[in-house]
Amino acid sequence: GQNIDQPTEMTATEGAIVQINCTYQTSGFNGLFWYQQHAGEAPTFLSYNVLDGLEEKGRFSSFLSRSKGYSYLLLKELQMKDSASYLCAVISKAAGNKLTFGGGTRVLVKP
Amino acid sequence: EAGVVQSPRYKIIEKKQPVAFWCNPISGHNTLYWYRQNLGQGPELLIRYENEEAVDDSQLPKDRFSAERLKGVDSTLKIQPAELGDSAVYLCASEQGRGREQFFGPGTRLTVL
Repeated sequence: GQNIDQPTEMTATEGAIVQINCTYQTSGFNGLFWYQQHAGEAPTFLSYNVLDGLEEKGRFSSFLSRSKGYSYLLLKELQMKDSASYLCAVISKAAGNKLTFGGGTRVLVKP
Repeated sequence: EAGVVQSPRYKIIEKKQPVAFWCNPISGHNTLYWYRQNLGQGPELLIRYENEEAVDDSQLPKDRFSAERLKGVDSTLKIQPAELGDSAVYLCASEQGRGREQFFGPGTRLTVL
């Protein structure tokens, strides 16, 4: 099976930086996704990592280390609208190449 | 381009009643997923379709859940009879190619009383 762990909740201040960690255990890793989900809304795609390293996209960056089974999502210059849940999801052969989600990290941005 | 469409957005039923959810994926997306998301948790896959074929339904509770995608486009997920524990948000997602990003619909929030 797969095990995906991420913190349940984080709080940060507007304008600051927050790093959301995700660790996973799986075999046949084929990629890691980050999704953003505002309360009561659908998850929306943020990033995809399949090779080691950092992928930067505006204020959001995602990092992957396959040897460590570790990823993080970095949110810079936090805005109030960034208050949401952030879902880490892994696709792997062990899970039949389907997306398996972590429980999500709820980020609260305070003024 | 229209996104993934789901209806209804909300449904409240009494236990033992049947319920059905409908999904229209993004045009041209051959892969369709149904997920269930409980409060404070990530989505869990129920079934995956490649065109009209259900290629992964291992996590679908087949005693009460059924799904179909007859023409390889729209899909329907049914629960009969519903139980209290079925209260959740049911999300539909579609994907253009395997292993690429999935696009989610707004979901149907089901409350079973």
